[in-house]
Amino acid sequence: QEQLVESGGSVVQPGTSLRLSCAASGFTFSSASMDWVRQAPGKGLQWVAFLSHDGGIKSYDDSVKGRFTISRDNSKNTVFLAMDSLRLEDSAIYYCARDGEGDTLDYWGQGTLVTVSS
Amino acid sequence: SYVLTQPPSVSVAPGQTARISCGGINIGRKSVSWYQQRPGQAPVLVIYYHGGRPSGIPERFSGSNFGNTASLTIIRVEAGDEADYYCQVWDTDSAHRVFGGGTKLTVL
Repeated sequence: QEQLVESGGSVVQPGTSLRLSCAASGFTFSSASMDWVRQAPGKGLQWVAFLSHDGGIKSYDDSVKGRFTISRDNSKNTVFLAMDSLRLEDSAIYYCARDGEGDTLDYWGQGTLVTVSS
Repeated sequence: SYVLTQPPSVSVAPGQTARISCGGINIGRKSVSWYQQRPGQAPVLVIYYHGGRPSGIPERFSGSNFGNTASLTIIRVEAGDEADYYCQVWDTDSAHRVFGGGTKLTVL
């Protein structure tokens, strides 16, 4: 059974860094592209980043480009999101999700909460 | 950048049919996914890739996509269908995944 479990969320100050992890199980992780999606309190879903199955292709939303880095360790079935220069507006629940057939996100984790506050 | 437009809210009585639209330029040429998000929970995929339904999603849920509008249709609406619904596409021009703003479905 496919499962994604995020961790690493915390309360941090503006300008600091944080790294989120997402542990995958129940499927062949090395064959799956992965995404991070966030949701600010009371707001809609916002795509953050994409990473191909082999790590060779990355894409970022303009709001995080240059500050966030998506990566993966296929030997540990884990995808990461390194977040630098955090801003108040980065506060959100961060979900990792697996890319499925037809440009979809077919499995989602339960999310990890990041709060940026002074 | 590519924009998807959804109505903020849709209301329907139990047993009736709910239709949620998702507008985008030439969206009919794209693969559209729909997600259901109940309060306090992670999103769940309900429709993907030209109307496919993941296992466990009732046949009451269906999708259509033509021209500049995609739609999610839920027939025989139940109280448990009350949730936020989001449409999503992959924009190949920007290599970005795009979500609509979401529609809150209220079951009266």
